Amino acid sequence: SQQGEEDPQALSIQEGENATMNCSYKTSINNLQWYRQNSGRGLVHLILIRSNEREKHSGRLRVTLDTSKKSSSLLITASRAADTASYFCATDAPGNRDDKIIFGKGTRLHILP
Amino acid sequence: DGGITQSPKYLFRKEGQNVTLSCEQNLNHDAMYWYRQDPGQGLRLIYYSQIVNDFQKGDIAEGYSVSREKKESFPLTVTSAQKNPTAFYLCASSMVSGTGAFYEQYFGPGTRLTVT
Repeated sequence: SQQGEEDPQALSIQEGENATMNCSYKTSINNLQWYRQNSGRGLVHLILIRSNEREKHSGRLRVTLDTSKKSSSLLITASRAADTASYFCATDAPGNRDDKIIFGKGTRLHILP
Repeated sequence: DGGITQSPKYLFRKEGQNVTLSCEQNLNHDAMYWYRQDPGQGLRLIYYSQIVNDFQKGDIAEGYSVSREKKESFPLTVTSAQKNPTAFYLCASSMVSGTGAFYEQYFGPGTRLTVT
């Protein structure tokens, strides 16, 4: 069962540019999380935003959440080669009574030198 | 060093054999999870456990089994009943909030299983 869906599926930008990825979901949530995965590695947590929050920042990362549109965006400013990775959004499951989360299929970001 | 480890990194098996993937954490987390990832895809939940000696099926539990005898350990067995076992397997852990997934998950490095 897929809750979140990222857009675009793949994105290539020049180093130094900003990268924006979007996530849409179907049902109401308590939290939305963003994770990064370098090729062949485990996932690394980036940001968790709660349903009563609209925006969060962490270094060069900015996450927004619009619960009325059931969507979130991840902005990476001043991109670097090391930002090349897949980015996943994840939400708690509908009617969630535990801690499991559901991942989207991800956006593959490639930073060009 | 706190963290979550998976072993081995690469695993090769013949079709029809059961295989067990190891996952250990020293983060003192109550919850642990197993995911499967296929090329170019997101993560799909196989099994999860929120407390020792208890676990629940995820979305794709058929052909897999788990045990949770210790808080630190959550091994996954891929049985011969799993029709397409070749994949990248990821283990994760988190604190427990009880509802709403209020805590981030910490992931191991993954095990790439190839069955021929």
